Amino acid sequence: SQQGEEDPQALSIQEGENATMNCSYKTSINNLQWYRQNSGRGLVHLILIRSNEREKHSGRLRVTLDTSKKSSSLLITASRAADTASYFCATDVRVNYGQNFVFGPGTRLSVLP
Amino acid sequence: EAQVTQNPRYLITVTGKKLTVTCSQNMNHEYMSWYRQDPGLGLRQIYYSMNVEVTDKGDVPEGYKVSRKEKRNFPLILESPSPNQTSLYFCASSLIWGAGEKLFFGSGTQLSVL
Repeated sequence: SQQGEEDPQALSIQEGENATMNCSYKTSINNLQWYRQNSGRGLVHLILIRSNEREKHSGRLRVTLDTSKKSSSLLITASRAADTASYFCATDVRVNYGQNFVFGPGTRLSVLP
Repeated sequence: EAQVTQNPRYLITVTGKKLTVTCSQNMNHEYMSWYRQDPGLGLRQIYYSMNVEVTDKGDVPEGYKVSRKEKRNFPLILESPSPNQTSLYFCASSLIWGAGEKLFFGSGTQLSVL
């Protein structure tokens, strides 16, 4: 079962515009992470936000977390063609021996030059 | 260089012919996991391992086996592959899970079962 659900499924913008992707999850979490995947490649970690944080920045990335709404958003400012990729949120869920990662279905971002 | 190494990168096989996809990490990570990625379905977890000899099922374990005899290796075994196991597979690892550690991914294995 998927814990996280990204929205929208696909997003197409012009270079220089901002891109916003959302992630909703079902159960309480300790951390939420965002990953990026270039076509067919392995995922690369972008940023982590802890449950006691509301906002975090890293370069052109801004992540927010609203635990009351069980949702997070990833904002990419001043987008570039090289930002074209799929973006996934990942949350931790408690399991037998500790915790486990669960990924959402992802948002496919296309940045047009 | 710190990395997760998967082999092979591409694999074409026939129904019923046992195969193994290898995964190795050189970062002394405790947590390792296998995912499959299908169009429109995102990443679905097959199996994961919290440490040596500790493995557990993910969301889609049917038709797969794993073992974790050594910390660095976490092979994925398909005893009798079927066409519905045609997919892109990823191995991933992290130092320990539960402390906000990030996942490192392999480059993927594109499997086609004819």
